[in-house]
Amino acid sequence: GAVVSQHPSWVICKSGTSVKIECRSLDFQATTMFWYRQFPKQSLMLMATSNEGSKATYEQGVEKDKFLINHASLTLSTLTVTSAHPEDSSFYICSAPHQTYNEQFFGPGTRLTVL
Amino acid sequence: GEDVEQSLFLSVREGDSSVINCTYTDSSSTYLYWYKQEPGAGLQLLTYIFSNMDMKQDQRLTVLLNKKDKHLSLRIADTQTGDSAIYFCAVILTGGGNKLTFGTGTQLKVEL
Repeated sequence: GAVVSQHPSWVICKSGTSVKIECRSLDFQATTMFWYRQFPKQSLMLMATSNEGSKATYEQGVEKDKFLINHASLTLSTLTVTSAHPEDSSFYICSAPHQTYNEQFFGPGTRLTVL
Repeated sequence: GEDVEQSLFLSVREGDSSVINCTYTDSSSTYLYWYKQEPGAGLQLLTYIFSNMDMKQDQRLTVLLNKKDKHLSLRIADTQTGDSAIYFCAVILTGGGNKLTFGTGTQLKVEL
């Protein structure tokens, strides 16, 4: 199957700083990527849909100025958590749909801890 | 309730069968999916079923789909300790475009 990577896998930062998370499709092109957030022992909640060459589409209740998404190329989407606070601590997972395989491939996730 | 619901926790003995259930409100999915998540890891696609099928078997995994009752299940035969994980069903809800909605997740614990 196809591979999606995320970087970093784990980040700890101070409150008020910004953190950038990268999501890459390694062996296929993805015009769309999805960003999810998962709190401990909970399901994945879709935050936004990242669209290559255009603005991201955010789900209701997700602050677009807080979670900046840039889909600069067909293989890379970035999520920047701006002015992070402890309540932003979570597991962030991206996915990319693969047209041929008719499924979404998920990255391994990034654990963000804000002190 | 949630649009896609699952039981929170299931415990079985090694060698037994596990059945994880999922109910959804309405779906326009062509495919319905089961994912596995091990601690601290991303999601791994286990299997999926085409929406016009009612059963699919893939080695130890059997997926049953009852579209009338909007019910999806995953049966794991001969459950092993390595099957301990959280299992999520995922569907595209009607009107959801191409966005997957995940179930609440079922934590499977396999005991010796």
